[in-house]
This record gives sequence, C-alpha cells and structure tokens, in this order.
Amino acid sequence: GAGVSQSPSNKVTEKGKDVELRCDPISGHTALYWYRQSLGQGLEFLIYFQGNSAPDKSGLPSDRFSAERTGGSVSTLTIQRTQQEDSAVYLCASSLWQGRQNPPLHFGNGTRLTVT
Amino acid sequence: KQEVTQIPAALSVPEGENLVLNCSFTDSAIYNLQWFRQDPGKGLTSLLLIQSSQREQTSGRLNASLDKSSGRSTLYIAASQPGDSATYLCAVSSSNTGKLIFGQGTTLQVKP
Repeated sequence: GAGVSQSPSNKVTEKGKDVELRCDPISGHTALYWYRQSLGQGLEFLIYFQGNSAPDKSGLPSDRFSAERTGGSVSTLTIQRTQQEDSAVYLCASSLWQGRQNPPLHFGNGTRLTVT
Repeated sequence: KQEVTQIPAALSVPEGENLVLNCSFTDSAIYNLQWFRQDPGKGLTSLLLIQSSQREQTSGRLNASLDKSSGRSTLYIAASQPGDSATYLCAVSSSNTGKLIFGQGTTLQVKP
C-alpha cells in the first residue's frame, strides 16, 4: 500500500512569510509524528498526535510553530513568520499504536524548507 | 533525559568487508530500538526493530543486537556492498507514545 506522503517536497519562502507543510499518513495509522532535521543536526522531535489530539507537543521550538490533524488522518504543520533558522527538512512519520509494544515508525520523504 | 550516541560518525570500507556500527543510550528503560537507513535527500527507511524483550533481530545481511542493561546496540552488516552506502540512524523509544529519540547517525561509504 501507499506509504507516508508529504507535500510539498521542496518549499522556498521569504523570511517573515507563513508556510504550511502537509502529511498524509499510512491509512489506518492512528499515531503521527513530526520531526525536524537541520544541517549537521540529528532528528529533532516536534509533536506527536494520537488520533486528532496532540498529547505531546514538547518539541515545538516556539509559538510560531503549530500543527493540527483532522479526521484522524491528514496533518498540517504551520510555521508563522518564518526565520532563516527554520530552514531544515521536516519529516512526518506514522505508526499503528499498539499499547505496550511500540510498533515501527514509517517515515515520509520529508519537505525541504529553505527560508531566504 | 534520554540521549543516543552513535560511533563512528563516518566510516569508509572496501567492498566485501564485514562492519559494525555502534549505538549507545543513557536510559535503559526503553520500549524498543530501531535502526534506520537514510539516503541523501530521502526519508528514513526502517531496517530493524528490536523490542525491549529481545536480544537481536536479523534481516538478510543485517543483524542488530540489543543489550539493554549496558545501554548498547550494534548493527552488523555482512559482506558490504556499494549499495549499502548511506547514513545509518539508531533511535530508541522510551515513551509509550512511540516517540523516538535519534542518534546523530553514522555515514557509511562502501568503496567498489
């Protein structure tokens, strides 16, 4: 079946503009995660969704970052008033949450964001 | 706070060699450990997942081991090939949310 799909694959924006990044998880996956990968940095956790709620938002770097998920499926990560330090690859992952044993995460190819 | 470290940061080997990538983590209370491969400009491909109750997992030429008590995992690649060239990432799940904490990765180059 289809994997995790992210759009756009590349986004160039001017400093100060808002951007929206989209993630379509694997059908039926209840858990959804956003990560950020900056040049020279590891993968940094941003936010976790279970269904439409976000019980863990601890990784969002500032109040310019927000995310939502609707219908237990598509998620959108919004960055307001973008700054150059927001330039990174934003990765989305999904999984079937199974309680005590955590299943593998399946990642999309990411959105490469460049803020000029 | 869980921290994951991978050594070495980069590795270059001739084709055909067997090699070991290392991963260590500071908090042994994990749910599972997952090894990923990342090709340049691409997302992450899951290679192996080891649940906390398991000691190792194998897939083809790959074998991953887990020693929870010492906070270590190794990824063994047998008979390396140029197509194995990529960045290998280790990640642990210490939360029942499934959230993963990643190491910085080991960039592997296999020379023909």
